[in-house]
Amino acid sequence: NAGVMQNPRHLVRRRGQEARLRCSPMKGHSHVYWYRQLPEEGLKFMVYLQKENIIDESGMPKERFSAEFPKEGPSILRIQQVVRGDSAAYFCASSRSGTEYEQYFGPGTRLTVT
Amino acid sequence: DQQVKQNSPSLSVQEGRISILNCDYTNSMFDYFLWYKKYPAEGPTFLISISSIKDKNEDGRFTVFLNKSAKHLSLHIVPSQPGDSAVYFCAANPSGLTGGFKTIFGAGTRLFVKA
Repeated sequence: NAGVMQNPRHLVRRRGQEARLRCSPMKGHSHVYWYRQLPEEGLKFMVYLQKENIIDESGMPKERFSAEFPKEGPSILRIQQVVRGDSAAYFCASSRSGTEYEQYFGPGTRLTVT
Repeated sequence: DQQVKQNSPSLSVQEGRISILNCDYTNSMFDYFLWYKKYPAEGPTFLISISSIKDKNEDGRFTVFLNKSAKHLSLHIVPSQPGDSAVYFCAANPSGLTGGFKTIFGAGTRLFVKA
């Protein structure tokens, strides 16, 4: 029973490029959450998605960031025109319906913007 | 705006002794608290949780205590083992407010258990 999978594990982008981070939830989980961890800080909630729906994106920056969870395939966190301040570890978590507080985390994608 | 605070960035403990990790929160509406453990290059792993209707929850070597009046919780690890060396995150989940999905994390405490 595979856990939450994220790829790539490491991503290097130049300023102005696009970054795409992928997350496949655990089997049987239909809810996906994205968190960002800046150096020396805790994880900060970004967005909560169910299949084909964004439930809450109150933690997402208003510009350049978007997320989707299509009917088929992984959830995607997309960052357009990356800047150095986007460098962070991005974690995806998933849960079953009805147990949103029991979130299982993936290994994260470490994004470095040069 | 730090709603969950872990004021000790690091803690060093001898193997076999007790580790006590502390956490304070500011929002009295939080009703579910969790501790996560994180190794380098891995995601956080759920360790133990406590509902606000309880003041103690125990699971093997791990016990979480909640003092609602002080808005304080602590994680006790007894006895500590070298494999416990990791970063521990305290987290709160205001399920009553948001349906439970928006987990709010502290900055973490790095625990070193010396052999």
